[in-house]
Amino acid sequence: EAQVTQNPRYLITVTGKKLTVTCSQNMNHEYMSWYRQDPGLGLRQIYYSMNVEVTDKGDVPEGYKVSRKEKRNFPLILESPSPNQTSLYFCASSLSKGGWNTEAFFGQGTRLTVV
Amino acid sequence: AQTVTQSQPEMSVQEAETVTLSCTYDTSESDYYLFWYKQPPSRQMILVIRQEAYKQQNATENRFSVNFQKAAKSFSLKISDSQLGDAAMYFCAYRNLEGYNKLIFGAGTRLAVHP
Repeated sequence: EAQVTQNPRYLITVTGKKLTVTCSQNMNHEYMSWYRQDPGLGLRQIYYSMNVEVTDKGDVPEGYKVSRKEKRNFPLILESPSPNQTSLYFCASSLSKGGWNTEAFFGQGTRLTVV
Repeated sequence: AQTVTQSQPEMSVQEAETVTLSCTYDTSESDYYLFWYKQPPSRQMILVIRQEAYKQQNATENRFSVNFQKAAKSFSLKISDSQLGDAAMYFCAYRNLEGYNKLIFGAGTRLAVHP
């Protein structure tokens, strides 16, 4: 089954404690990205990756890091989380170029709370 | 930069009735894609319907249809014969035709369906 898998689904952490949210896809997609969802703001892109070892900032990258060492995995790293990073996070993947049927597949979401 | 606006934070509808969710966008591109996503309480992002800007004909998927007005940059979603399972957050999203698969989302509309 084609899917994007995020872990964990829920996470509560304390300010400053490094954490990683994992994302893995089994569709051999080149393009992967991270979004955060906040009330009244919708989903905003944090970082994206066009392929292995190629990443770039999205619209709200401050406080986040990513890596793409393998095509299937795209972890999101918060090295020093702060309460303003409390949010719902989504990983998404798709084929690289924007064709008509290049549907974005989303993970199940990770609810992060930073206290 | 492209923007997407959903001016209705909340909407409600009676079961079996019809409801229309509004979405406007801003872009200088002449061709692009537009989407409606549904997010039920499970948080999963589900693609409901999509429209390619150069196509004059409005997209339809079963009980879901859109009213695409390119000149007005408007992309509303009509849900006919509403069902209890339609209750969810609905997001309108934009994507450029070219380039990588970045989605730009509106703030969302929460739809309640009353029996």
